[in-house]
Amino acid sequence: DSGVTQTPKHLITATGQRVTLRCSPRSGDLSVYWYQQSLDQGLQFLIQYYNGEERAKGNILERFSAQQFPDLHSELNLSSLELGDSALYFCASSVGKAYNEQFFGPGTRLTVL
Amino acid sequence: EDQVTQSPEALRLQEGESSSLNCSYTVSGLRGLFWYRQDPGKGPEFLFTLYSAGEEKEKERLKATLTKKESFLHITAPKPEDSATYLCAVQVDMNYGGATNKLIFGTGTLLAVQP
Repeated sequence: DSGVTQTPKHLITATGQRVTLRCSPRSGDLSVYWYQQSLDQGLQFLIQYYNGEERAKGNILERFSAQQFPDLHSELNLSSLELGDSALYFCASSVGKAYNEQFFGPGTRLTVL
Repeated sequence: EDQVTQSPEALRLQEGESSSLNCSYTVSGLRGLFWYRQDPGKGPEFLFTLYSAGEEKEKERLKATLTKKESFLHITAPKPEDSATYLCAVQVDMNYGGATNKLIFGTGTLLAVQP
């Protein structure tokens, strides 16, 4: 157990809908990262937050957004969902903003029908 | 463009048969190289961090090494419970300046150890 928690474990929804994924980092970690893992793309970095502020952006679609709250938990919002958004979404956390090991949560499996 | 390539894509070993997995990278500004283990449907589990060429890390039957262009994960006398996908990732600076922690992952090596 990495200490990173994610909810929900599974999510099934329809195209065009909006969902919210939630992540709580390990105790003491200030950075939260979001990754998407699909069969054809592997693990892709989406976005990083450090202590409530956006730190780095990867290949995150405009339909996706994230935020980190004062208690350091983070939410990833996915809107106007398409079939291709079906994937595993992982949250990771680390102590600092750079050059630290990242510890991953168990993931949320999103299925868009 | 920053790139990480892992080989082989899949590897089947007999229990006790040692082997190595390869991770080669082409990146600018390498800050660290990470190995993770991932079981089906689970999140990646951190194994090792390597920062400079010549560095080695060991944990049980696993040993990770790093050169200027690649890293190896050596598995000595594997057991069936070592079966998993092994992921390599490199940590690089973002181009717009400022230190960050973006990881670029390879596609992994699927290891199956037969009893």
